[in-house]
Amino acid sequence: QVLLVQSGGGVVQPGKSLRLSCEASGFSLDNYGMHWVRQAPGKGLEWVAVLWYDGTTTYYADFVKGRFNVSRDTSKNTLYLEMNSLRAEDTALYFCARLDLALSGASDFWGQGIPVTVSS
Amino acid sequence: DIQLTQSPSFLSASVGDRVTITCRASQVISKYVAWYQQKPGKAPNLLIYGASTLYSGAPSRFSGGGFGTEFTLTISSLQPEDFAIYYCQQLNTYPLTFGGGTKVEIK
Repeated sequence: QVLLVQSGGGVVQPGKSLRLSCEASGFSLDNYGMHWVRQAPGKGLEWVAVLWYDGTTTYYADFVKGRFNVSRDTSKNTLYLEMNSLRAEDTALYFCARLDLALSGASDFWGQGIPVTVSS
Repeated sequence: DIQLTQSPSFLSASVGDRVTITCRASQVISKYVAWYQQKPGKAPNLLIYGASTLYSGAPSRFSGGGFGTEFTLTISSLQPEDFAIYYCQQLNTYPLTFGGGTKVEIK
């Protein structure tokens, strides 16, 4: 059974850092890429970043480039999103989602979402 | 970046209605479009991938079509559990992008 369990969200001051985690079970991160997607309160979905199955290829949305970093620990089968220099506009519910190449890159499994609030 | 424009942004319909949502891309994206359904406070659920392939487990009343720059999601007979927000996503080019969403409400 595929499951993605997220942790690490919370309230943080502007300019500070936060790390989100996404623990995968039922499949190996060695075999799948993973996305981060966010949703600001009352807004639509916004793609943030991806880490390919190779563990090294990454892409980022322009609005987080240079501030956010996506990585993984295969020994823990866990994906991370390190968020630095946080801004008020980064306030959102953050989701991790599995990238399945067999589905033309679509995401078939998602984490439960974890809220991040950037506020002084 | 590739922009996705969904229309309408809001749709009011009755149970049993046939509804169609359109997603237009600012550039050609072949068939690399997925459609998701999202309910309040929940993660999105995959409905369609590859523009027209029904995801395993998604109800057969959902169908997708299109190629290039124009894509559609059709619900053949709207059911009470279908009232939600629907998003298209392009998977052709990074950065990936989502459409603005279409909220389907009960008339």
